[in-house]
Amino acid sequence: AQKITQTQPGMFVQEKEAVTLDCTYDTSDPSYGLFWYKQPSSGEMIFLIYQGSYDQQNATEGRYSLNFQKARKSANLVISASQLGDSAMYFCAMREPNSGYSTLTFGKGTMLLVSP
Amino acid sequence: EADIYQTPRYLVIGTGKKITLECSQTMGHDKMYWYQQDPGMELHLIHYSYGVNSTEKGDLSSESTVSRIRTEHFPLTLESARPSHTSQYLCACTGTGVTDTQYFGPGTRLTVL
Repeated sequence: AQKITQTQPGMFVQEKEAVTLDCTYDTSDPSYGLFWYKQPSSGEMIFLIYQGSYDQQNATEGRYSLNFQKARKSANLVISASQLGDSAMYFCAMREPNSGYSTLTFGKGTMLLVSP
Repeated sequence: EADIYQTPRYLVIGTGKKITLECSQTMGHDKMYWYQQDPGMELHLIHYSYGVNSTEKGDLSSESTVSRIRTEHFPLTLESARPSHTSQYLCACTGTGVTDTQYFGPGTRLTVL
């Protein structure tokens, strides 16, 4: 079974609108971390936001927020006021505590296209 | 954030050649990683290291090898490149702190003809 599932291969949004990218995860550990990365066409992976499993509040970083629903095992990324530069692949990833080397498991990604 | 560098950024090479992809970081982080990523696909962990003289294989089997002789340096080597090795290779290291965020280098796009 996949540990990280991103069900949206592609998403389209108009500039200045908000968009939600879905991510569900599967783990039996109570302690874990969830990450979102952005990958533009240039190829580098850019860290966006982190949510710990024990964090009481949803993480926010500027225009990025993470809608963390622990019972549903979902960690959706919300981008407010989309910009053309937000067009990229977005990856959700999870770190589990039995991964002593802090290794991450990545989802298949969602391609976001922002139109003018 | 970590300052992490990869060279070359792009490499086109013929079958059978030996290649080394370089990865260096300047933050003194112990944990480093190599991922392989085909275009538009997810990342697969192929190697990782938690410090000098420590290397482990990742989830995806790879014919590449790695070494960790110095903390800041984690090169990946292919003894005999094949077209099936054509991919992007991303190096990462883990920052300090509770989040253990992985920071990535710019990647190397390898094409084997």
